[in-house]
Amino acid sequence: AQRVTQPEKLLSVFKGAPVELKCNYSYSGSPELFWYVQYSRQRLQLLLRHISRESIKGFTADLNKGETSFHLKKPFAQEEDSAMYYCALRTGRRALTFGSGTRLQVQP
Amino acid sequence: SQTIHQWPATLVQPVGSPLSLECTVEGTSNPNLYWYRQAAGRGLQLLFYSVGIGQISSEVPQNLSASRPQDRQFILSSKKLLLSDSGFYLCAWSTETLAGRPYEQYFGPGTRLTVT
Repeated sequence: AQRVTQPEKLLSVFKGAPVELKCNYSYSGSPELFWYVQYSRQRLQLLLRHISRESIKGFTADLNKGETSFHLKKPFAQEEDSAMYYCALRTGRRALTFGSGTRLQVQP
Repeated sequence: SQTIHQWPATLVQPVGSPLSLECTVEGTSNPNLYWYRQAAGRGLQLLFYSVGIGQISSEVPQNLSASRPQDRQFILSSKKLLLSDSGFYLCAWSTETLAGRPYEQYFGPGTRLTVT
């Protein structure tokens, strides 16, 4: 069965510090991985997807099939990055399997 | 543009009472529709998804049911609520691959349900 694990419930960093939100997945097939973000009082929304190899708001994520990981990284955190981040896996079905989420707090 | 609505925004119901949460989508046709639940301190759990009118797939056995009476309407129901049904319920929609890009799920604002 597919599973997404986000080991950290809370990650607190200072402004300007590097950020890495961890995500590991379990799936026997070819995965599609996403990062979703929910800012305070806003809807859950897509941040980035691995297949696009894009950088959004300074965030990047690389799929490492050997380590079954899809960690989200940003070299210099900003206060506006504070939010709840969810890693998600799409398998052969249409739906997504989400991790339990990591709350990122960026302190001034 | 496409929009997704959920109501009510918050709901407090006693144990044993019925439930009906509604989700509607505008600006698209034949979307895939989803119900997720987020329990306190836990991640998003997929409850149901639908690829068309009257087509419902259930992901976990539970006290809830879903229906899709119209193309852009998705309803989450229960005949008798349990305390464990408390949580934050999110509706989402998506389309299949668009122009070769992987699809994206778009989420509604959610309904916070408290069962007392």
